[in-house]
Amino acid sequence: GQQLNQSPQSMFIQEGEDVSMNCTSSSIFNTWLWYKQDPGEGPVLLIALYKAGELTSNGRLTAQFGITRKDSFLNISASIPSDVGIYFCAGLSIFGNEKLTFGTGTRLTIIP
Amino acid sequence: EPEVTQTPSHQVTQMGQEVILRCVPISNHLYFYWYRQILGQKVEFLVSFYNNEISEKSEIFDDQFSVERPDGSNFTLKIRSTKLEDSAMYFCASSKAQGAGYGYTFGSGTRLTVV
Repeated sequence: GQQLNQSPQSMFIQEGEDVSMNCTSSSIFNTWLWYKQDPGEGPVLLIALYKAGELTSNGRLTAQFGITRKDSFLNISASIPSDVGIYFCAGLSIFGNEKLTFGTGTRLTIIP
Repeated sequence: EPEVTQTPSHQVTQMGQEVILRCVPISNHLYFYWYRQILGQKVEFLVSFYNNEISEKSEIFDDQFSVERPDGSNFTLKIRSTKLEDSAMYFCASSKAQGAGYGYTFGSGTRLTVV
């Protein structure tokens, strides 16, 4: 099946630092999504990307859809305590179905 | 902002029992989904549902699982005879149109514990 690998698995940063994480796939996706999950909650959509090469921002978050359609990155600038959580990338394949394939997640911890 | 609502938030059941997890998708959405997340792992697709029938299901979604939209608002996941390995968070999601990103929204989940 399709696999999405996220890196890094976990990050420990200080408040105010910038964060960068990425997602790579062995398969092509035609939509990339980035979600944040807080403990005991469902994934919350942060950014959606629909075209190869697309660069999209949402406040302090910026994400890009890779040219090959097999990768994406998410950057968070000037991190704040509420950024703590697990970030998942998710892809929708080119075959027209509606299921999301989720990445393995990046756990972000902010050191006081 | 419209929400996907799931009940109960936590369900404990004995192995072999049937459970029904309930979801109320966003009212104008047409595609409905169930996903599962075993503790500490990634979110996994179970099934998608459109026009009153299953449009796709994963290998996880075996004969023990079924979904139903019994009325115009609820969407349920039934596990007929629960196993210990069914313990997980179950998330319902809905979307407005084909192609994720069109308001593909997840509920807060039901934590199922099989003992």
